[in-house]
Amino acid sequence: DTGVSQDPRHKITKRGQNVTFRCDPISEHNRLYWYRQTLGQGPEFLTYFQNEAQLEKSRLLSDRFSAERPKGSFSTLEIQRTEQGDSAMYLCASSGDFAGVGELFFGEGSRLTVL
Amino acid sequence: AQTVTQSQPEMSVQEAETVTLSCTYDTSESNYYLFWYKQPPSRQMILVIRQEAYKQQNATENRFSVNFQKAAKSFSLKISDSQLGDTAMYFCAFWQGAQKLVFGQGTRLTINP
Repeated sequence: DTGVSQDPRHKITKRGQNVTFRCDPISEHNRLYWYRQTLGQGPEFLTYFQNEAQLEKSRLLSDRFSAERPKGSFSTLEIQRTEQGDSAMYLCASSGDFAGVGELFFGEGSRLTVL
Repeated sequence: AQTVTQSQPEMSVQEAETVTLSCTYDTSESNYYLFWYKQPPSRQMILVIRQEAYKQQNATENRFSVNFQKAAKSFSLKISDSQLGDTAMYFCAFWQGAQKLVFGQGTRLTINP
């Protein structure tokens, strides 16, 4: 296992289109996180899964955003009717029971540009 | 809500120098964890060092050490003998009991040859 992988790495779309990002966590990790990072800022928490259960969603996650983690493995983050303000890097991270508290393993991110 | 503040947007030092990055935080909790994460250019973020609030001893990891001042809610990172590979964005982060990291705005550190 080579770490957390995210796909696609870059996505350019037109305003109003839907986009979906996929995250494959480290295989033995039961916790999965989505963060959003805009240029020059720190990551902002979006949502968190333990196995297949979505345990917390940020107020940042409007009704245009939906995340799933079927079967507790990979996760998808879908953004419907994209807006220019959605342009950002979307980071996925995973963690497991044997990791230290707060030790998250991040992917390289999926960069979204909305024209 | 917990907040994390990094007041230095950018820093630049010469290779082999020592550099200190600052971080302050606000919380009403008594037990928590603080972290420094590193995000190299175009690469994934990785954990540099972790501090548990109930431990008085400052954490160290090779060339990286922290100065944790609980009463002042201050958590700085010192990098000794800086190397070119230390060039990165550095984020201070706070672990909330609700199982998520809260990050500061970051400090862009450049190590010059």
